[in-house]
Amino acid sequence: GAGVSQTPSNKVTEKGKYVELRCDPISGHTALYWYRQSLGQGPEFLIYFQGTGAADDSGLPNDRFFAVRPEGSVSTLKIQRTERGDSAVYLCASSFFGGNEQFFGPGTRLTVL
Amino acid sequence: DQQVKQNSPSLSVQEGRISILNCDYTNSMFDYFLWYKKYPAEGPTFLISISSIKDKNEDGRFTVFLNKSAKHLSLHIVPSQPGDSAVYFCAASRPGGSQGNLIFGKGTKLSVKP
Repeated sequence: GAGVSQTPSNKVTEKGKYVELRCDPISGHTALYWYRQSLGQGPEFLIYFQGTGAADDSGLPNDRFFAVRPEGSVSTLKIQRTERGDSAVYLCASSFFGGNEQFFGPGTRLTVL
Repeated sequence: DQQVKQNSPSLSVQEGRISILNCDYTNSMFDYFLWYKKYPAEGPTFLISISSIKDKNEDGRFTVFLNKSAKHLSLHIVPSQPGDSAVYFCAASRPGGSQGNLIFGKGTKLSVKP
């Protein structure tokens, strides 16, 4: 079966622009997570969905960041008015409900010029 | 303040020898621990995990040891192979598993030399 997929793999944008990053989780996984990984750091939690609802969005750094999962499968992370400090690899992961292991996608490398 | 710490940014080991990667944590509420392996330009890949009710879990060449009193865990790889060269992340989970997020260390880059 297919793993977690993320598109695009790379995104270069200019400061102030709006970007959308997409995640397609493993089929049947009800839990979906977004993380952000900066250079030299481990992944840092952003937001967690259980089904369609955001169960925990405490990791979103500010209100420029928003994520949706309208049908409980694909999720989109949206960043408004991008800043250079938003440059990072954005990772998506999914798991079964109650499962401890999260399975990661390859990530989207976002570069804000 | 980091709740999960991997104090060695890098480790170099000869092929065939044992690799030991260490991880310390500060939050005694963590009840599940995981190790992930990451190659460049790929997402982290789950490697092995351990529940806080155990002190050892083994899977082939990989063994994870947990010392709750010291809030310390370690990953042993034996024998090490060149294909094991990657960045290894330790992660901890709060009670509820996937009902919460994972908290990662900064990673240790392992180089296994032929």
